[in-house]
Amino acid sequence: QVQLVESGGGLVKPGGSLRLSCAASGFTFSDYYMSWIRQAPGKGLEWVSYISSSSSSTNYADSVKGRFTISRDNAKNSVYLQMNTLRAEDTAVYYCARRYTSSAPYDYWGQGTLVTVSS
Amino acid sequence: DIQMTQSPSSVSVSVGDRVTITCRASRTISNYLNWYQQKPGKAPKLLIYAASSLQSGVPSSFSGSGSATDFTLTISGLQPEDFATYYCQQTYSTPYTFGQGTKLEIK
Repeated sequence: QVQLVESGGGLVKPGGSLRLSCAASGFTFSDYYMSWIRQAPGKGLEWVSYISSSSSSTNYADSVKGRFTISRDNAKNSVYLQMNTLRAEDTAVYYCARRYTSSAPYDYWGQGTLVTVSS
Repeated sequence: DIQMTQSPSSVSVSVGDRVTITCRASRTISNYLNWYQQKPGKAPKLLIYAASSLQSGVPSSFSGSGSATDFTLTISGLQPEDFATYYCQQTYSTPYTFGQGTKLEIK
């Protein structure tokens, strides 16, 4: 069955860095676009970034552009989010999610990993 | 960016009721509109994609309609497990924005 398992969250000080990982299984990872979507405590969902199946295309929300970098390793069935210059407003649960094409819905999501940015 | 506006933000309903949630896009998104259900502490779950297509495994009590800028999610015969927060999302253009959510509460 399809599984997406995020890891790497934790407590980090403002200005710090963190790298999130998402390990995929149960499907042909290299066929799918992957994304990161976040949810601040008690708030709604915010799309963060996507990467195409071959890594040829990436895109970011304005709120993270220039600070976050998405990447993937199809040999390891994993997608990553490198987060630099973290701010308090980046505090959220970060979900990875898959979709089949550039405009398709997100049909499977991981359970999320919590990132807390605080001094 | 395309703004997605849901209404209502919350609604109190009873088991067995029918409820309709609306989602309006700030400009046309064709039918690139998806609906998700989220329960506390859980990841969102896809219910409806392409405005009106039911995701595999989702009960037929859920239905979606609309195109261009105006969309609806209807839940017929509400069950206790349906009390959750519902989000619309457009995947027409990046950033793939979500509505602010509609929380269904038990009356």
